[in-house]
Amino acid sequence: AQSVSQHNHHVILSEAASLELGCNYSYGGTVNLFWYVQYPGQHLQLLLKYFSGDPLVKGIKGFEAEFIKSKFSFNLRKPSVQWSDTAEYFCAVTPNTGGFKTIFGAGTRLFVKA
Amino acid sequence: DSGVTQTPKHLITATGQRVTLRCSPRSGDLSVYWYQQSLDQGLQFLIQYYNGEERAKGNILERFSAQQFPDLHSELNLSSLELGDSALYFCASSGGTGAFFGQGTRLTVV
Repeated sequence: AQSVSQHNHHVILSEAASLELGCNYSYGGTVNLFWYVQYPGQHLQLLLKYFSGDPLVKGIKGFEAEFIKSKFSFNLRKPSVQWSDTAEYFCAVTPNTGGFKTIFGAGTRLFVKA
Repeated sequence: DSGVTQTPKHLITATGQRVTLRCSPRSGDLSVYWYQQSLDQGLQFLIQYYNGEERAKGNILERFSAQQFPDLHSELNLSSLELGDSALYFCASSGGTGAFFGQGTRLTVV
């Protein structure tokens, strides 16, 4: 069955620390990849997406993610986090099967200490 | 503002009752997804509709059903509610370039 794994459920960082959140998926075919963020009390927002082309994609608020096809991974990174990055981050995968079904990871809760 | 509207924002109801959650997708989006977010289960895909037809089904209970109307708005019906159904229910719409989520409906079953 298709699945998305996010390795860390909770991450605590100090401001200015670097961030990397892991995401691996299990699906052998072509996929579209997404990272979403949910700030406390708010709805999910799209951070960035990868469909094809340059495997290093840049999103909003200084976030970027790298698609490594051989590792089935799409890790999210930010060089220097801010207190305002405290949120829950979801990795999501849409297999290009025409079914448009998006599979989410369990989410990673990031807490940034001021 | 994502362009996706969900109503109501909050709902408190008793066990055994039935509720209907409504979602209006972004203009032009044909796909509507429903998700349930709870503390212990995380974000779970329930069901997807595309232009009025059911396209994909996830972990949706038999007590739950959904439909998408000709104007593309969608409703999620939850019946015989149990305490464990308390959660945040998100609707998302997509035109193929990523999903845009509504604010969610927080359902509390007491």
